[in-house]
Amino acid sequence: AQKITQTQPGMFVQEKEAVTLDCTYDTSDQSYGLFWYKQPSSGEMIFLIYQGSYDEQNATEGRYSLNFQKARKSANLVISASQLGDSAMYFCAMRPLSSNYKLTFGKGTLLTVNP
Amino acid sequence: ETGVTQTPRHLVMGMTNKKSLKCEQHLGHNAMYWYKQSAKKPLELMFVYNFKEQTENNSVPSRFSPECPNSSHLFLHLHTLQPEDSALYLCASSQEPRPYNEQFFGPGTRLTVL
Repeated sequence: AQKITQTQPGMFVQEKEAVTLDCTYDTSDQSYGLFWYKQPSSGEMIFLIYQGSYDEQNATEGRYSLNFQKARKSANLVISASQLGDSAMYFCAMRPLSSNYKLTFGKGTLLTVNP
Repeated sequence: ETGVTQTPRHLVMGMTNKKSLKCEQHLGHNAMYWYKQSAKKPLELMFVYNFKEQTENNSVPSRFSPECPNSSHLFLHLHTLQPEDSALYLCASSQEPRPYNEQFFGPGTRLTVL
């Protein structure tokens, strides 16, 4: 069975500072993908960044980067230069190759950016 | 319209009502999904349709009935729901079979069962 653990129910960060959101995962598959989504209060899940299990370099997308440590089975999201609009729920998700399209999500972290 | 759209955005219904949720994707994808998001719980996958065929049903009660008439449209028919079914219902789509393609989500329908 697949499992995603996000240990931080809530995080606070000052505007313009960087913040790291933690994610650990558990799977017996060797081949899998890791995803981060952002969910504002409006409800829509917005895709942020993806990391493949065989990717040697950490993924980056603008102000988002993924700190991938395969041996530790962790895939932390780093947001640089936080903005007020970054306040939202953030979900880590995993999709093993054997999953038949199934994404497994963590419980999420509520990020609040303070001015 | 772009991306994934869902209607209605909000729905209040009694336990004896019958209603339907609609999802439409404008991305040319061939797989569509229904998820349930309850308070303080991870997203739960309910149904998966690939090329209009249902490929997964995650032990969802029969009071939820999905319908996928074509690769762009997905419905969730609701009847005799329970108050614990109140949740945010999210629709998503993706292009398959590519193992690591992200799923694109709609804005969701906030359902309240009285």
